[in-house]
Amino acid sequence: QVQLKESGPGLVQTSQTLSLTCTVSGFSLTSYHVSWVRQPPGKGLEWMGRIQSGGSTYYNSALKSRLSISRDTSKSQVFLKMNSLQTEDTAIYYCTRDPAYWGQGTLVTVSS
Amino acid sequence: DIQMTQSPASLSASLGETVTIECRASEDIYNGLAWYQQKPGKSPQLLIYNANSLHTGVPSRFSGSGSGTQYSLKINSLQSEDVASYFCQQYYDYPWTFGGGTKLELK
Repeated sequence: QVQLKESGPGLVQTSQTLSLTCTVSGFSLTSYHVSWVRQPPGKGLEWMGRIQSGGSTYYNSALKSRLSISRDTSKSQVFLKMNSLQTEDTAIYYCTRDPAYWGQGTLVTVSS
Repeated sequence: DIQMTQSPASLSASLGETVTIECRASEDIYNGLAWYQQKPGKSPQLLIYNANSLHTGVPSRFSGSGSGTQYSLKINSLQSEDVASYFCQQYYDYPWTFGGGTKLELK
């Protein structure tokens, strides 16, 4: 069955870089697109970006300058890297196989 | 970027009532719209895609409609398990964008 699971550090220092991994199973990254979505505690959803099955990437305009999404198809993994983190980047980070399959999310806290 | 304005931000309704949530896009999104339900501590769940197509396994009391810039999600005969937050998302054009969400509570 289709599964996605996010992993990464739960705590990141301000101004540092966040690196998250989404490990997928039950489908191939060369056949399906994967997005990253985040949600600050108690707030709404924010689409961050997407890597398409062919490898093309698209990003949220507000995050584009510090966000990168990549993948390793042989390992069935999608990566998110975002630099210059601030406290407002504290959120649950989800990876999704659009639109129906979501990971459980991983909470990232940004603190000085 | 396409802006999605969702209303109301919060809603209180009684069991058995019919509830409607609206999303307005800043430009025509040609039915490229999804609705999600999210319960506390859980990941969002897809309800509706392509504005009016019911996702597999979603109860038929949920329905989506609209076109152009105006879309709505209707819940007929509200059940206690429908207490949740609801979000619309446009995927017609990049960057994709979400509405601000609607928190639905029981009266």
